[in-house]
Amino acid sequence: LAKTTQPISMDSYEGQEVNITCSHNNIATNDYITWYQQFPSQGPRFIIQGYKTKVTNEVASLFIPADRKSSTLSLPRVSLSDTAVYYCLVGDLDTGRRALTFGSGTRLQVQP
Amino acid sequence: NAGVTQTPKFQVLKTGQSMTLQCAQDMNHEYMSWYRQDPGMGLRLIHYSVGAGITDQGEVPNGYNVSRSTTEDFPLRLLSAAPSQTSVYFCASNTGEGGTEAFFGQGTRLTVV
Repeated sequence: LAKTTQPISMDSYEGQEVNITCSHNNIATNDYITWYQQFPSQGPRFIIQGYKTKVTNEVASLFIPADRKSSTLSLPRVSLSDTAVYYCLVGDLDTGRRALTFGSGTRLQVQP
Repeated sequence: NAGVTQTPKFQVLKTGQSMTLQCAQDMNHEYMSWYRQDPGMGLRLIHYSVGAGITDQGEVPNGYNVSRSTTEDFPLRLLSAAPSQTSVYFCASNTGEGGTEAFFGQGTRLTVV
């Protein structure tokens, strides 16, 4: 499994765009990149998954450069309710169906 | 749909006691799994199942048993509770078709004294 490195914490203000970068230098050819969000006292929630280039949904965008050694989760115009821990996961889909490997995540604090 | 439902939400056990954490999903997902999350840490996989009657160990299986007699239910049994098992336990399910998109329950906060 590819090891991931992401910042321990980030601070932002309401209305700003937040970019959280995850490093995964030894990502394998079959690996996908997935981001989860976890609010206090709740289970993680799937945000977005991608393989290369850019993926966008109603919640976030995921940018993946050509070498795939890093990825950036972009949250447009954050609000207080986006305060949460964000996890970057890397792995192949077959393993990911059975077992997800979570690191310590990035704790995002959004202030008024 | 209720999604993934875990009971109880909170539990206090004495060392040596046993108990079962319940997990049920109503999405007809084949894949189910149990994780534990210690304070300030990410989730770690305890056991998982790829279908009724099929289970396997994850990263931290010692002290826990599971069974999967139906698609809907995946209970986690603590055989003899220890203080080191104080944690928040999450159950998750996955269709198996969407890759890494799993659906998690609200968690069970377990304290062993």
